[in-house]
Amino acid sequence: DAEITQSPRHKITETGRQVTLACHQTWNHNNMFWYRQDLGHGLRLIHYSYGVQDTNKGEVSDGYSVSRSNTEDLPLTLESAASSQTSVYFCASSVGGDFFNEQFFGPGTRLTVL
Amino acid sequence: AQSVTQLDSQVPVFEEAPVELRCNYSSSVSVYLFWYVQYPNQGLQLLLKYLSGSTLVKGINGFEAEFNKSQTSFHLRKPSVHISDTAEYFCAVSDRGTSGSRLTFGEGTQLTVNP
Repeated sequence: DAEITQSPRHKITETGRQVTLACHQTWNHNNMFWYRQDLGHGLRLIHYSYGVQDTNKGEVSDGYSVSRSNTEDLPLTLESAASSQTSVYFCASSVGGDFFNEQFFGPGTRLTVL
Repeated sequence: AQSVTQLDSQVPVFEEAPVELRCNYSSSVSVYLFWYVQYPNQGLQLLLKYLSGSTLVKGINGFEAEFNKSQTSFHLRKPSVHISDTAEYFCAVSDRGTSGSRLTFGEGTQLTVNP
């Protein structure tokens, strides 16, 4: 069955380190998204991509970057981790082309920055 | 710009009681509306969506929602809840035409069903 996976599921790192969170989907979806989930804020969009070589900033993109070299993967990189980036990170994907396609979510990565 | 407000951060109810989770949105254009559910330690899954047509939308697990354009609301309801409905529920909106497939989420409502 097609799915969307994230790794690692849990990560503890130190302030200032570079961290990369992986997202892999086998739906063959064009659209991919990264969100962070924090208490009291719901989910906020970090970056998104509508296809290979396409990346766009979301509402909370500072300190994060993404690259899309193939359809299946959208890794999220924290250039220099900060304690404010402690959060749960969700990756999602959707078919693309229309505005109302359902987004399918991964299981999440819990990141702690000490 | 669009925004979503979920009016209750926590809703405790007893099993078999009815429940309503409230959601209001603001947008300058027509919208698509969604409710997602998140069970503990899991990702989000779609409960239901409003795209067009009938304002009463039925979803999975016996949930339904009603789109009210004049009140800019999309409240989620279930006539009789079960313990297994305990989860966090998110309302989300997507502008038609300006935001592609991007969603703006509300802050979430924690539904706790007690025996």
